[in-house]
Amino acid sequence: QKEVEQNSGPLSVPEGAIASLNCTYSDRGSQSFFWYRQYSGKSPELIMFIYSNGDKEDGRFTAQLNKASQYVSLLIRDSQPSDSATYLCAVNPAGNQFYFGTGTSLTVIP
Amino acid sequence: GAVVSQHPSWVICKSGTSVKIECRSLDFQATTMFWYRQFPKQSLMLMATSNEGSKATYEQGVEKDKFLINHASLTLSTLTVTSAHPEDSSFYICSASGGQVTGELFFGEGSRLTVL
Repeated sequence: QKEVEQNSGPLSVPEGAIASLNCTYSDRGSQSFFWYRQYSGKSPELIMFIYSNGDKEDGRFTAQLNKASQYVSLLIRDSQPSDSATYLCAVNPAGNQFYFGTGTSLTVIP
Repeated sequence: GAVVSQHPSWVICKSGTSVKIECRSLDFQATTMFWYRQFPKQSLMLMATSNEGSKATYEQGVEKDKFLINHASLTLSTLTVTSAHPEDSSFYICSASGGQVTGELFFGEGSRLTVL
């Protein structure tokens, strides 16, 4: 079993819709969770981080964490074509360990 | 946010030569840096974890004699691809931890290596 699993997609949503990206992780003791966005040919950039169960909102982005079920999700409201990218889920179980999912490719259709 | 700078952004070299890629944390001290490789349309693959002043820890399957990593200071780590071959052509990305947010990783811009 992989440490972090994501649906590779591709996920397509129309402009203005809500895009929902999901991620599950195996290490129940994980404490920190991150969502990165990666445009083609570019390096990842941090979108959101979350440590506590529940929702965390930042603009059009909402991260949701459920430690009991070991999943973390990212919702993108009012999706824009510029949101089209690969979204990487990352988990930091402890110290300097980081595990990345394979990424979900999102396409927002104008 | 914290800044990690990677250089060069693009490099083309002949087969058999060596290439050095630098990764610098510009406004914070990076106790740990990570080196990744990414092939087209594939996910990040962690190559090694580098701690300042100590030997890098390589992931399984990554040849430490081919991919030399040096982390001589808290702001600089280098990756040298020795005796490069066309199959080493890839996008190499560094990241660093040690910023204000616990556990946050900051990524360099990436270096695209093409070996002819």
